[in-house]
Amino acid sequence: SYVLTQPPSVSVAPEQTAMITCGGDNIRRKSVHWYQQKPGQAPVLVVCDDCDRPSGIPARFSGSKSGNTATLTISRVDAGDEADYYCQVWDTNPDRRGVFGGGTKLTVL
Amino acid sequence: QLQLQESGPGLVKPSETLSLTCTVSGGSISSSSYYWGWIRQPPGKGLEWIGSIYYSGSTYYNPSLKSRVTIPVDTSNNLISLRLTSVTAADTAVYYCVRQERVETWFDPWGQGTLVTVSS
Repeated sequence: SYVLTQPPSVSVAPEQTAMITCGGDNIRRKSVHWYQQKPGQAPVLVVCDDCDRPSGIPARFSGSKSGNTATLTISRVDAGDEADYYCQVWDTNPDRRGVFGGGTKLTVL
Repeated sequence: QLQLQESGPGLVKPSETLSLTCTVSGGSISSSSYYWGWIRQPPGKGLEWIGSIYYSGSTYYNPSLKSRVTIPVDTSNNLISLRLTSVTAADTAVYYCVRQERVETWFDPWGQGTLVTVSS
């Protein structure tokens, strides 16, 4: 089955750029979506592949893919961005299945 | 504005069946192309997709849960349900209802979630 690997934690200073990675076999061929989850809240879609930016999400959030790695980039980080972030894809081998990465805790220093 | 609201018992005994309902407001569950599904999150852990359904009744489930999961749809009342049989403590989680743009896309929006604890 398909596995997505994320670093458990990433730290960044305010106003700097945070990059959260999501590793998966040939992930560049898949659509990768990203969610933000703050404590006690439901996840929120922040980046979707092949779609318009989700409503209310600033342009500071962007996604990219290369080889076996997808990356969520958050520019000009502020304290409000501190949260857990999850990547997500669909696997179809052998059965259709939604797959999430293990999540990355973003800490704003 | 589309809203999803989960409801159901917060406590289920081991070996029994977990039953939840997701009521959709601000939009029709029968809207073309949208799928509806369930995702869960054990306390302090990550997200796990459970399954999804189209309003016509077409479903697909996580293979790891397929033998125990059913997701019915009720278009008359604009809701979907979740039935998970033979539960154990490992099924203790926050259960979220979600919408999918199409069959293999992103999940948006999410319901607020409901915590279900499996305990005697």
